[in-house]
Amino acid sequence: KAGVTQTPRYLIKTRGQQVTLSCSPISGHRSVSWYQQTPGQGLQFLFEYFSETQRNKGNFPGRFSGRQFSNSRSEMNVSTLELGDSALYLCASSLMASGGDKETQYFGPGTRLLVL
Amino acid sequence: QKEVEQNSGPLSVPEGAIASLNCTYSDRGSQSFFWYRQYSGKSPELIMSIYSNGDKEDGRFTAQLNKASQYVSLLIRDSQPSDSATYLCAAVNQAGTALIFGKGTTLSVSS
Repeated sequence: KAGVTQTPRYLIKTRGQQVTLSCSPISGHRSVSWYQQTPGQGLQFLFEYFSETQRNKGNFPGRFSGRQFSNSRSEMNVSTLELGDSALYLCASSLMASGGDKETQYFGPGTRLLVL
Repeated sequence: QKEVEQNSGPLSVPEGAIASLNCTYSDRGSQSFFWYRQYSGKSPELIMSIYSNGDKEDGRFTAQLNKASQYVSLLIRDSQPSDSATYLCAAVNQAGTALIFGKGTTLSVSS
């Protein structure tokens, strides 16, 4: 079974631009979560989508948004990029029905974003 | 804001020793807990999950959970240099909609 895939793997943007990142979950997984990882803050939860609905959102500004399609693929968008948005963006998928192993999240390789 | 706390380390152990990694969480409603390992420049990979109080063993790894104390730990027996990585503790929030991570403990195993 194929794992979680993320595209692109690397991205360089300049301040003020916007960026869209893509995530394809493991086949059969309906939940997709997004995280930002920086050396200082660790892994921070951005948002989670389940069946095309955002179920939970972390403490990030409105410049960070996402969506999920009917095939469970998800995209994340960051508008008006700032230098501090430079980070590794990780996507994780799970069955995310409640209880036990259905909540286990499997991570993709990440997209490394550099904002200049 | 629900939190997961870990000692950042680095934790240094000699090859063959037992490494003990600890984690506390603030959400009393959390029922599911996970340990991930992350090598530098790579994404986190799942090591173990634990849902019930007590110990759970998988090869050289043992996870321990104490819900009353809101405490999770990971023991690595016969530590190897290849175990050198950052270990992330995570707890599912009560609503089951988010996985909250600690900032990780860096483990260094010297040969």
